[in-house]
Amino acid sequence: GDSVIQMQGQVTLSENDFLFINCTYSTTGYPTLFWYVQYSGEGPQLLLQVTTANNKGSSRGFEATYDKGTTSFHLQKTSVQEIDSAVYYCAMREGNMGYKLTFGTGTSLLVDP
Amino acid sequence: EAAVTQSPRSKVAVTGGKVTLSCHQTNNHDYMYWYRQDTGHGLRLIHYSYVADSTEKGDIPDGYKASRPSQENFSLILELASLSQTAVYFCASSGTGDSYEQYFGPGTRLTVL
Repeated sequence: GDSVIQMQGQVTLSENDFLFINCTYSTTGYPTLFWYVQYSGEGPQLLLQVTTANNKGSSRGFEATYDKGTTSFHLQKTSVQEIDSAVYYCAMREGNMGYKLTFGTGTSLLVDP
Repeated sequence: EAAVTQSPRSKVAVTGGKVTLSCHQTNNHDYMYWYRQDTGHGLRLIHYSYVADSTEKGDIPDGYKASRPSQENFSLILELASLSQTAVYFCASSGTGDSYEQYFGPGTRLTVL
């Protein structure tokens, strides 16, 4: 079945550091890939959607790309700020599987001021 | 603004008791979902629904039932609560077509003692 692997459970950075989070996916279909962000005490919210391999999505200073060859997708930000401290989830929708999403296990980002 | 609300926001239940978690959306969305969130597991889909009076099993449906009496309302029912069902539960809704964004509620923290 479909799966999404998110290996980095916790990341601690200082302000203005570079952020890079990576996920790998497995599916037999044509995926649409997402990044969701969850701030403390809230539900997750969509950060980025990436629908075309090797094309970038961008929002709030974050960029996302995916590589069909290595079945991986990445979230990055050049200069993180303390307000970016949150949990980041990668997620995948398989092409013909309705609107269900498969989520990774989440990366907890802590940015020290 | 689109909104998903959940009630209660937190609950303490006894083992073997019945628990009902409620979700209401004003997004006019066809799809609604119930997820549980656990440390190390991320978000896992329990049940979902794409039309009133119909529900579908997600990835971890055992021990849970769902009910969708109207487009706006979706409930998660634990007939015999167990310790292993202690978690944070999120409801979400999404539309159809090219927009796959899921809108999440604020979550319900359930503790089973």
